[in-house]
Amino acid sequence: GAVVSQHPSWVICKSGTSVKIECRSLDFQATTMFWYRQFPKQSLMLMATSNEGSKATYEQGVEKDKFLINHASLTLSTLTVTSAHPEDSSFYICSARDLWAYTQYFGPGTRLTVL
Amino acid sequence: GIQVEQSPPDLILQEGANSTLRCNFSDSVNNLQWFHQNPWGQLINLFYIPSGTKQNGRLSATTVATERYSLLYISSSQTTDSGVYFCAVKRSGGSNYKLTFGKGTLLTVNP
Repeated sequence: GAVVSQHPSWVICKSGTSVKIECRSLDFQATTMFWYRQFPKQSLMLMATSNEGSKATYEQGVEKDKFLINHASLTLSTLTVTSAHPEDSSFYICSARDLWAYTQYFGPGTRLTVL
Repeated sequence: GIQVEQSPPDLILQEGANSTLRCNFSDSVNNLQWFHQNPWGQLINLFYIPSGTKQNGRLSATTVATERYSLLYISSSQTTDSGVYFCAVKRSGGSNYKLTFGKGTLLTVNP
């Protein structure tokens, strides 16, 4: 149980295009999902908290107009990187909090490369 | 915000050896999780352990909440244990569920 999927697992795009990443909780409901970014050999940095049916809460320094987050249902959150540039290249990871627990479960991550 | 420090930053072992990883945190917590990030980037939940002791096979963890630290024990290490081990915590109080991650311990187990 407690499986979180992400799609796509990797994506290569041209500078200026937009990329959408999906995060799904497959076997549990998640009112709260989180989006993290991880650079090589570094730890995870929280970008935003996504709550079902409401606006996301962004961490300081994260551009909300660049990283659009939508949490349309209890099992799906999406992150759209708009007008991507090479500096947006990174490993993006989502997590979902079980509705009835504190535990967070993590997706497998999406590796974004912007050319 | 809460500070999370992990030690050691790097650890190299021979297969079969035991090891202890440490996580210190600067404030009271009501969530502490240990993760293993495999070479493909997937974070695997090891323990949810805001206090007490738990064991799962060759792994065990202890959190002493009053002294603000947690330990992860790996016994009889195997090459598949290689990867980065993260400790993540949520500060007590507040209405959010945000986890703050330590910088991790990079474990390399050689055959």
